[in-house]
Amino acid sequence: DAKTTQPTSMDCAEGRAANLPCNHSTISGNEYVYWYRQIHSQGPQYIIHGLKNNETNEMASLIITEDRKSSTLILPHATLRDTAVYYCIVRGDSWGKLQFGAGTQVVVTP
Amino acid sequence: NAGVTQTPKFRVLKTGQSMTLLCAQDMNHEYMYWYRQDPGMGLRLIHYSVGEGTTAKGEVPDGYNVSRLKKQNFLLGLESAAPSQTSVYFCASSYGREGEQFFGPGTRLTVL
Repeated sequence: DAKTTQPTSMDCAEGRAANLPCNHSTISGNEYVYWYRQIHSQGPQYIIHGLKNNETNEMASLIITEDRKSSTLILPHATLRDTAVYYCIVRGDSWGKLQFGAGTQVVVTP
Repeated sequence: NAGVTQTPKFRVLKTGQSMTLLCAQDMNHEYMYWYRQDPGMGLRLIHYSVGEGTTAKGEVPDGYNVSRLKKQNFLLGLESAAPSQTSVYFCASSYGREGEQFFGPGTRLTVL
């Protein structure tokens, strides 16, 4: 699976959009980009995933560049409950393994 | 639906003791996983199962065994606990290879 690079931490003001970048320059054509988050030692929570096209659901939007070497997770209106570690994961093998890195610690402030 | 549940939530063991962690899911998922998370690190896959009666090794399988006798349950065993196995253990399940994995609340294990 391709390795991902994320910033260690970032702050965001409540009510503003949070844009979380992820680099995955070695991604292969059949590998998906997944985003999970982990709120204070709870089990990770799935957010969104995509292959080539941009994706949106009730939680977030995922923007993948045309060359697929990077992506951005967008939380449109951050709340205090969005404070968490966000993991960008590239996955393409056949048995579903998620390879977690260190993630980005996002702190949403009032 | 309860989703994914884990038993126990906390446990303290002495070196050399054995124990079994239980993971249960009520979503009829085929795939189940055991991860461990050490302080300040992401999750690492221990073992996984792609269906009832099948198991396979993940990234860090040494010192652990697993069983999937029923589709809804995935057991993680430590035969002889070591301090290096102090960690938070998460179970997850998914319907198939792709799509989201649903995680349990975790088991905090301390080995003295």
